[in-house]
Amino acid sequence: NAGVMQNPRHLVRRRGQEARLRCSPMKGHSHVYWYRQLPEEGLKFMVYLQKENIIDESGMPKERFSAEFPKEGPSILRIQQVVRGDSAAYFCASSPPMGRQSTDTQYFGPGTRLTVL
Amino acid sequence: KQEVTQIPAALSVPEGENLVLNCSFTDSAIYNLQWFRQDPGKGLTSLLLIQSSQREQTSGRLNASLDKSSGRSTLYIAASQPGDSATYLCAVKGGNQFYFGTGTSLTVIP
Repeated sequence: NAGVMQNPRHLVRRRGQEARLRCSPMKGHSHVYWYRQLPEEGLKFMVYLQKENIIDESGMPKERFSAEFPKEGPSILRIQQVVRGDSAAYFCASSPPMGRQSTDTQYFGPGTRLTVL
Repeated sequence: KQEVTQIPAALSVPEGENLVLNCSFTDSAIYNLQWFRQDPGKGLTSLLLIQSSQREQTSGRLNASLDKSSGRSTLYIAASQPGDSATYLCAVKGGNQFYFGTGTSLTVIP
């Protein structure tokens, strides 16, 4: 059973370009989460999606960032008009349907390292 | 808002030593607490999950404790090995997300 897959692993963009990060959840998982890890900081929650639905986007910057998880295909985190401050590691995690259970956990992918020149 | 703090930020020990990593959180209304390991350039590997009703969990040389009322958790590593060198992250689950600390970078010197 393959784990959570993310691609690309490394992405270099110039200021003003668009970055598209992809995440394929573990088989059987219908829930996807995106986190951002800035240099010298902890992972920060960005968004929580189910297939075709955004459940919680409380951690998403209001502008330039968007996420989707279509019925078919991977989840996409899209950053428009990137700036140097967007340079970070972006991690995707997946889970089966997660309620408010004490056993809930998430499985993390290897991350995409975005560098904005 | 939940805040998770880990101390120390970095730790260097000789091989064979026992060590303790600390995690504190501000809101005790959590579902569980997890300890993860992160290797450079890699993703996160879950080490131990402690449910909110539990006090501790053990896996091999690792033992994690949870005191919800005081907002504290510790990760105890026995007989440390060079392969234990990594960043250790503490995360608490509240609502839809996990709240992460900034981690403790551990170096075990052969």
